[in-house]
Amino acid sequence: EVQLVESGGGLVKPGGSLRLSCAASGFTFSSYSMNWVRQAPGKGLEWVSCISSSSSSIYYADSVKGRFAISRDNAKNSLYLQMNSLRAEDTAVYYCAREPNHIAVRGTFADHWGQGTLVTVSS
Amino acid sequence: DIQMTQSPSSVSASVGDRVTITCRASQGISSWLAWYQQKPGKAPNLLIYAASNLQSGVPSRFSGSGSGTDFTLTISSLQPEDFATYYCQQANSFPSTFGPGTKVDIK
Repeated sequence: EVQLVESGGGLVKPGGSLRLSCAASGFTFSSYSMNWVRQAPGKGLEWVSCISSSSSSIYYADSVKGRFAISRDNAKNSLYLQMNSLRAEDTAVYYCAREPNHIAVRGTFADHWGQGTLVTVSS
Repeated sequence: DIQMTQSPSSVSASVGDRVTITCRASQGISSWLAWYQQKPGKAPNLLIYAASNLQSGVPSRFSGSGSGTDFTLTISSLQPEDFATYYCQQANSFPSTFGPGTKVDIK
């Protein structure tokens, strides 16, 4: 069974930093591209970042470019999101999500999602 | 960036109704579109990918169609567990973008 478990969320002051982690199990993590998607309270979904299976390709939403960094450790079956210079508008539940690898998609979408971790940016 | 819109933003329907949700892309995305269902407090669940492919385990009352800029998600006979919010996502290019969502609630 595919499992994605996020951790690392919490309360942080504006301008602060936080590192999210996602532990993957139940599939060959190193064979899949992975995503972070967020959802502000009461709002819709916002794609944040994507990293290819070998980390050779990385993409970001304009809203986080230059402040967030996605990375992965295939030996540890883990995905990360380093978030710096946090703003109030970064407050959201952050989901880790797996991109399926049976279809050669040009962008990305996700077939499995974690339960999310809440990040609150407030003074 | 490709902008995604959805209509309606909300719909009230009864069990057994046929429900259709529309998603439009600001430029052509071929068939690179996914649909998700999300219930309150839960992660999204993939329903349809590549515009019309039913994800494994998803009931056959869900179907998707369209290509280019205009897409639809149809629920042929609404069930109690289908009351939720539905999102489309373009998978044609980066940055990826979601539609604003359509809430399906009980009439």
